Amino acid sequence: NAGVTQTPKFRVLKTGQSMTLLCAQDMNHEYMYWYRQDPGMGLRLIHYSVGEGTTAKGEVPDGYNVSRLKKQNFLLGLESAAPSQTSVYFCASTLQGREKLFFGSGTQLSVL
Amino acid sequence: RKEVEQDPGPFNVPEGATVAFNCTYSNSASQSFFWYRQDCRKEPKLLMSVYSSGNEDGRFTAQLNRASQYISLLIRDSKLSDSATYLCVVLASGGSYIPTFGRGTSLIVHP
Repeated sequence: NAGVTQTPKFRVLKTGQSMTLLCAQDMNHEYMYWYRQDPGMGLRLIHYSVGEGTTAKGEVPDGYNVSRLKKQNFLLGLESAAPSQTSVYFCASTLQGREKLFFGSGTQLSVL
Repeated sequence: RKEVEQDPGPFNVPEGATVAFNCTYSNSASQSFFWYRQDCRKEPKLLMSVYSSGNEDGRFTAQLNRASQYISLLIRDSKLSDSATYLCVVLASGGSYIPTFGRGTSLIVHP
């Protein structure tokens, strides 16, 4: 039972490049979330999903897109990376939304 | 006003001290409350859930005050290994359950 797996762990992009972060969970969780964490800012919600085929915007969605085509996977895309998107990204999931969050180990993204 | 607010600290305490953190929330419809611990920008890990009647887990005690809309975390007999950032998480339901994080409180326990 792997829990929540995030890939990649580190990535360096140039401004304007695109990339996709993958979050995979094997716990049959309905809810999945993408957060970003910047120094002094805590975790801020980018997008979330309450089930397969559904997505919704969080607090800071601009510049990101997401997809949840399969229940176990939640993808976060950056179409045209900007230096302001340099951050640590965490994926998390919960069974039905009210339980504790299970986190991935994070992705350190730098945009030059 | 941010939905969930915490004093960022740092709280700098000696080993063996008792330290308490508060976290205030603005949404009176909030239903679930948690404390998470985060080390050095690693993923947050659940420390404890917070129940209405208060709850204790070893040296850690969590309390909820719905009337004043805050939760608290008390750590007794602090250890060096307690040094970390403590994140308050509040869950409100407006149809979907959205966990909202405070910015975290930094604790440094020194010898």
